[in-house]
Amino acid sequence: GQNIDQPTEMTATEGAIVQINCTYQTSGFNGLFWYQQHAGEAPTFLSYNVLDGLEEKGRFSSFLSRSKGYSYLLLKELQMKDSASYLCAVRGTDSNYQLIWGAGTKLIIKP
Amino acid sequence: GAVVSQHPSWVICKSGTSVKIECRSLDFQATTMFWYRQFPKQSLMLMATSNEGSKATYEQGVEKDKFLINHASLTLSTLTVTSAHPEDSSFYICSAGGVRSGSSYEQYFGPGTRLTVT
Repeated sequence: GQNIDQPTEMTATEGAIVQINCTYQTSGFNGLFWYQQHAGEAPTFLSYNVLDGLEEKGRFSSFLSRSKGYSYLLLKELQMKDSASYLCAVRGTDSNYQLIWGAGTKLIIKP
Repeated sequence: GAVVSQHPSWVICKSGTSVKIECRSLDFQATTMFWYRQFPKQSLMLMATSNEGSKATYEQGVEKDKFLINHASLTLSTLTVTSAHPEDSSFYICSAGGVRSGSSYEQYFGPGTRLTVT
C-alpha cells in the first residue's frame, strides 16, 4: 500500500531550528516534495528531492534517504510567519504528476 | 512563471443549486490538472485527475455525477458541484501539472475556492 507518515503537530521557539520528519512506503518513487500551507490558503512549493542528500535553500533544507524511505525538512532561524502546516508528498511511478500526500505537520512557533 | 488562477475565490450558494469553479494555468499549458478538497484542519484530499481532452479519473468515494469535471483546453479545467448540499462546503483547490525548471514534474496550486452551501 501507499503510506506517508509525518508528525501531526510540532512546537518550536522563534529563532530556533526545527526538523520535520517524513517516512514513506510507496509502490514506486520518483521524487519527494515539501509544501507549506498557511491556514485558509493553498499549498506553496518548498523543495524537491529525487536523489539522496541534502538540498539547501535559504533557511529551509530538505534531506532524502531513498534506502530508508525517509526525508526531513529543516527550518532554521524560525520566524513567526513559519507557523503553518508542512506537507510531505511523494511522486510515484504511475503518473508523471500525481502525488501521494502525507497528512501534514502543523508547526506552531512561539515567541 | 507557472501561475494558476482559480475563480471564484469564495462562493456562497443555496442548497440544491450548482456551482462552477474555474482553474486556469496562466503562463503554461497543463495537460494534467488535479482537483482537491480540504476540510478544516485536515489534509488535502484528491478528488480527481483530469487530462485535457479526456474524461477525468475520480478517486474512490467521489461521485462523478455530482462533481463534474471538464478539461476542455490545455489551460482551463472546471469543477461543477451539482445539487450542492451543506456537507459539500469545503475548500476546493486545483493544481496543474508542469515541469519545474531543470527538475521534474511539479504541481502548481491555485489559490483555492471556499464554498459555503447554506
